[in-house]
Amino acid sequence: GAGVSQSPSNKVTEKGKDVELRCDPISGHTALYWYRQRLGQGLEFLIYFQGNSAPDKSGLPSDRFSAERTGGSVSTLTIQRTQQEDSAVYLCASSLWVAGTEAFFGQGTRLTVV
Amino acid sequence: KQEVTQIPAALSVPEGENLVLNCSFTDSAIYNLQWFRQDPGKGLTSLLLIQSSQREQTSGRLNASLDKSSGRSTLYIAASQPGDSATYLCAVYYGQNFVFGPGTRLSVLP
Repeated sequence: GAGVSQSPSNKVTEKGKDVELRCDPISGHTALYWYRQRLGQGLEFLIYFQGNSAPDKSGLPSDRFSAERTGGSVSTLTIQRTQQEDSAVYLCASSLWVAGTEAFFGQGTRLTVV
Repeated sequence: KQEVTQIPAALSVPEGENLVLNCSFTDSAIYNLQWFRQDPGKGLTSLLLIQSSQREQTSGRLNASLDKSSGRSTLYIAASQPGDSATYLCAVYYGQNFVFGPGTRLSVLP
């Protein structure tokens, strides 16, 4: 596609439910990143995928968070047993390769846990 | 610890002014630095990318400089317009992920 696509754009869920957020990176981009932005705060790194290498999960805040990337393309971020503090905008970005190239972000998924 | 700071936190100027936004980073072992803008409720739009070996990049009314040794980058916006109103984010890439600054919220008044 022309840009990074994220779905859904908005998600309201009840506390305790599981949610899945999807990211379609730009075709051919081998690096994919997930970030979280809480209201009025900066971007927090969550997880990073590069090609077929093991992902860097160092930013995941708890074991309720997981992510996978199938076929080196689409990625899904899963949050289990959602809590109110999980409410945030979840942003995905992709780039052509690891270092030295421009990263492009999607429009984000706004998650609200009620 | 890799930290990125941005000054000022907020800026309000009349249309037509030239602006300077500042970004500082603690670890100078960067791969590159990227400036983004974020409109309310939206994702991030890439403005400029500066490689670690470069000193500056220009795109239209925007010019970004990089002084890696002192851990600083500056974004210049010439002849500001109301459409430039947004939050400007500096992101430093260290090879595994981007470390973002908190942003500068810019308002350009008509």
